[in-house]
Amino acid sequence: GQQVMQIPQYQHVQEGEDFTTYCNSSTTLSNIQWYKQRPGGHPVFLIQLVKSGEVKKQKRLTFQFGEAKKNSSLHITATQTTDVGTYFCAGLIRGSQGNLIFGKGTKLSVKP
Amino acid sequence: DAEITQSPRHKITETGRQVTLACHQTWNHNNMFWYRQDLGHGLRLIHYSYGVQDTNKGEVSDGYSVSRSNTEDLPLTLESAASSQTSVYFCASSEGWLSYEQYFGPGTRLTVT
Repeated sequence: GQQVMQIPQYQHVQEGEDFTTYCNSSTTLSNIQWYKQRPGGHPVFLIQLVKSGEVKKQKRLTFQFGEAKKNSSLHITATQTTDVGTYFCAGLIRGSQGNLIFGKGTKLSVKP
Repeated sequence: DAEITQSPRHKITETGRQVTLACHQTWNHNNMFWYRQDLGHGLRLIHYSYGVQDTNKGEVSDGYSVSRSNTEDLPLTLESAASSQTSVYFCASSEGWLSYEQYFGPGTRLTVT
């Protein structure tokens, strides 16, 4: 079946270091979304990328969508303790009315 | 403000009992989804609905059922609870036409003993 693979599963960084998580889909996606889940919380939508090669920034976060619309990345510059949580990518399959295929997430911990 | 709520937030039940988890959204969204979250598995889709009277099976639907009688609610029923269904359950909704971003409820932690 259709899958979205996300790596790494865990990442431990020192505060101030950069962090990147990657997603790869087995099929071409209509769009890709990113969510953040704080410990004990629920997933919260961060951003959606639609166009091939699209790059979007939110302060220290940079999101990229690959040219083939099959991969994506989230990069955080100079991590802070507030960045702690699990980051999920989720792909919208072509022709879908709204079903997302979620990656398993990358759990980020930040050491002060 | 529009929101999505789940109840109960915590539930302990015994094996074999029927359990219903409630999900209510005031976004007036067409799409609603139920996921379960287990360590190492991420979010797995149980059932989903694209509108009133529409329901569909997801990746892990065995032992679960849903019904959609109005726009706001999508209750999830565990017909006969099993220990393997101990998990955190999230309900989500999305507009489904102009936007596919999903809004998640706070979750229900279910323990089956």
